Amino acid sequence: DGGITQSPKYLFRKEGQNVTLSCEQNLNHDAMYWYRQDPGQGLRLIYYSQIVNDFQKGDIAEGYSVSREKKESFPLTVTSAQKNPTAFYLCASSMRTDTQYFGPGTRLTVL
Amino acid sequence: QKEVEQDPGPLSVPEGAIVSLNCTYSNSAFQYFMWYRQYSRKGPELLMYTYSSGNKEDGRFTAQVDKSSKYISLFIRDSQPSDSATYLCASISGSARQLTFGSGTQLTVLP
Repeated sequence: DGGITQSPKYLFRKEGQNVTLSCEQNLNHDAMYWYRQDPGQGLRLIYYSQIVNDFQKGDIAEGYSVSREKKESFPLTVTSAQKNPTAFYLCASSMRTDTQYFGPGTRLTVL
Repeated sequence: QKEVEQDPGPLSVPEGAIVSLNCTYSNSAFQYFMWYRQYSRKGPELLMYTYSSGNKEDGRFTAQVDKSSKYISLFIRDSQPSDSATYLCASISGSARQLTFGSGTQLTVLP
């Protein structure tokens, strides 16, 4: 089965804690992306990576970090510096920038 | 001003109605236009993709782009309750590395 997987589906974080969201794809796509979605808002780009071992900040990178050590994997760490992390996080991948395919999402809640 | 504006709705229609969803954009460099469908608590799925101006039809769905007025539309014929979802428009220029999304329109088709 080809596709994008994200885990966990639901994640709870305590104040001051770092958490890591997993994103894996077996589509052989070069590019991968992390978005944040808040109620009533569109998708906002956090980080993206066009190639292994390289990534760029998106519009709202503060308080987040990523790595791209393997083509298939693009984990996102939500650090304690992110003051309002409760949101729905979406990972996407693409062969070309315009046609992006999304994973099922991770819902992060701060306790 | 956001680069892509979309009426958030919510929009409710009876089953069988023709639905019109719309976006406007401000960046003249946008050349590629997408519509994504997002069911509640799921990741967006690519529904339609068009390049430059014109129409594209796929079953009950028609995507229309008017670059002269910077207007993007999605028409759904014979709407079904299973079409109930949030619809996101997105655009990108040829040289850009990231999609720009509208905020999404929530559609409910009543049986």
